Amino acid sequence: NAGVTQTPKFRILKIGQSMTLQCTQDMNHNYMYWYRQDPGMGLKLIYYSVGAGITDKGEVPNGYNVSRSTTEDFPLRLELAAPSQTSVYFCASSYSASGGNEQYFGPGTRLTVL
Amino acid sequence: GDSVTQMEGPVTLSEEAFLTINCTYTATGYPSLFWYVQYPGEGLQLLLKATKADDKGSNKGFEATYRKETTSFHLEKGSVQVSDSAVYFCALPSDTGNQFYFGTGTSLTVIP
Repeated sequence: NAGVTQTPKFRILKIGQSMTLQCTQDMNHNYMYWYRQDPGMGLKLIYYSVGAGITDKGEVPNGYNVSRSTTEDFPLRLELAAPSQTSVYFCASSYSASGGNEQYFGPGTRLTVL
Repeated sequence: GDSVTQMEGPVTLSEEAFLTINCTYTATGYPSLFWYVQYPGEGLQLLLKATKADDKGSNKGFEATYRKETTSFHLEKGSVQVSDSAVYFCALPSDTGNQFYFGTGTSLTVIP
């Protein structure tokens, strides 16, 4: 049971490039989330999904896209990377967002846009 | 809407000192409450939780009591260690049940 895995761990992009951050969970969780964490700051929700085929915007969705074709995978796509997207990105999953169910986090992807 | 307000840091303590990190919440109903911990260079992990009013969550010597009268869920530890140096986040699920709200995080540094 690997939990939540993210790839890559580190990436440097040039302005205007695109990339996909991968996230996979093997706990059969319905809910998945993408957060960004800027230095010294808390978490900001980018997108979330309550099940395969269903996604919704969080607090800071601009510049990102997601898809959820399977229960296990929830990739985050950055189009036209900008320096403001330099951050650490965390994927998380949970069985639900109620009833005391916790979120499980991946180890993060550290992205730098130059 | 639902939210959590967390004590701002950073907090620096000497080893074996007493720790309190304040967290208050605004919510409809009585949601579960969580404390997460983030060690340097890692993702967040659950530290403890409480699922109903007056419950006490505990783990690794940390405790927090769900107090509906004061809408609080303060994190405490009687004697901190250097290995407790981390960032601590208070959290609760949204009223829609679709997502979680996190506090801004409190950075704790414990010096020997």
